[in-house]
This record gives sequence, C-alpha cells and structure tokens, in this order.
Amino acid sequence: AQSVSQHNHHVILSEAASLELGCNYSYGGTVNLFWYVQYPGQHLQLLLKYFSGDPLVKGIKGFEAEFIKSKFSFNLRKPSVQWSDTAEYFCAGNTGFQKLVFGTGTRLLVSP
Amino acid sequence: EAQVTQNPRYLITVTGKKLTVTCSQNMNHEYMSWYRQDPGLGLRQIYYSMNVEVTDKGDVPEGYKVSRKEKRNFPLILESPSPNQTSLYFCASSLGQGLNTEAFFGQGTRLTVV
Repeated sequence: AQSVSQHNHHVILSEAASLELGCNYSYGGTVNLFWYVQYPGQHLQLLLKYFSGDPLVKGIKGFEAEFIKSKFSFNLRKPSVQWSDTAEYFCAGNTGFQKLVFGTGTRLLVSP
Repeated sequence: EAQVTQNPRYLITVTGKKLTVTCSQNMNHEYMSWYRQDPGLGLRQIYYSMNVEVTDKGDVPEGYKVSRKEKRNFPLILESPSPNQTSLYFCASSLGQGLNTEAFFGQGTRLTVV
C-alpha cells in the first residue's frame, strides 16, 4: 500500500539554525509530493509541491525540498529558521489516481 | 477569493446527539474529501466524493456519513457521535484525484464529544 513516512515527530531548534525534515514515500512510478504547514490553531497551507521536472522545489517562506527518486525521499529544508516557523509540518503524496496520503507530521518548535 | 469554508470552527456536543459539519468550496472542484487529524496519526481520510452523487469510503469511515447533492457542498454527518470521534476535522477540495492536482483545505472544525 502507498505510504508516506516522517521520521522526526518533534524537532526543537534555535532561531537561525538550519532545518531538514525527513519524508520518505513508498510509491513506484510517477509520484506527486507535497509539504503542508499547519500553524497553531490554523488550517493546512501548502508550502511546496513536486509534480515533475526540476527535483529541487522552492516554496513559500524560504522553504525548499529535494525529490531524490533513488532514495524515495522528499526532505524539507530551510537554511535559517525563525520563531514564526514554529508549526506542524506534513508531507503528503499520491500517484496515479490514488488519494492523497499524509505522513504523521513533525512538530517544529523554534526557540527565540 | 478561492476558498474552502467549514462551519462551525468549534463544536462541543454530547454523545448520541446528531450533528452536521458543513463544507463549501467556490472553485468548481469535482473532488472533495473529509479528513480527521489526530495526534501522532496525521490526517486520515474519512470519505471522499468524485462528483455530485458519487461518494465513497476513505480509511476511517465508521460512524460518519456524507452527501454530495451539489458540487460546491459536502457536509459531514455524525448520526450518533461518540467520544472517540473527538478530533480536528478538515474538508478539502481539488480538481480531481490523483496526479497533478492540488488539494485546498478548509479552516478545520474542532469537535469535542462528551
């Protein structure tokens, strides 16, 4: 069955530290991958998406992710986090005509 | 403005009292779905609808019903809510299901069943 896994459940960083959140997927073939962010008390917002083409995808708020097919990975990165990046981050993916499947989420806490 | 609107945002109810959470989208999307979000479990799909009058079960459909009488609306119905349905619920819509479609999410409904 298709699945998306996020290894880090909780991450604590100081401001200006670099961020990398792991995401692995289990699909073969063509895949779409997404990162969503959920700020405290708010709904899910799309950070970035990969459909095809350049495997390095740039999103909003300085986030980027790299699709590495050989590793089945789509890790989220940001070179320097801010306190306002404190949120929960979800990786999601789908393939073919299948529904979107979410990872279990990573809670990021950035201390000022 | 393109959006998915859910109501209410917060709801506290008692076990067994029927409730409906509404969801409406203004993007003319064919595909709509409901998710519940629980700590450590991420988002799990409850029901989805490919188009008007076409609905199907997701991963966790027990205790829920949906209807799709109009393209823009996709209400979630809990006929007899139980405490294990206390959760954060999200409605989502997209052009379709599958590749090259992006899902748009509502603001969420935090439901507490006592």
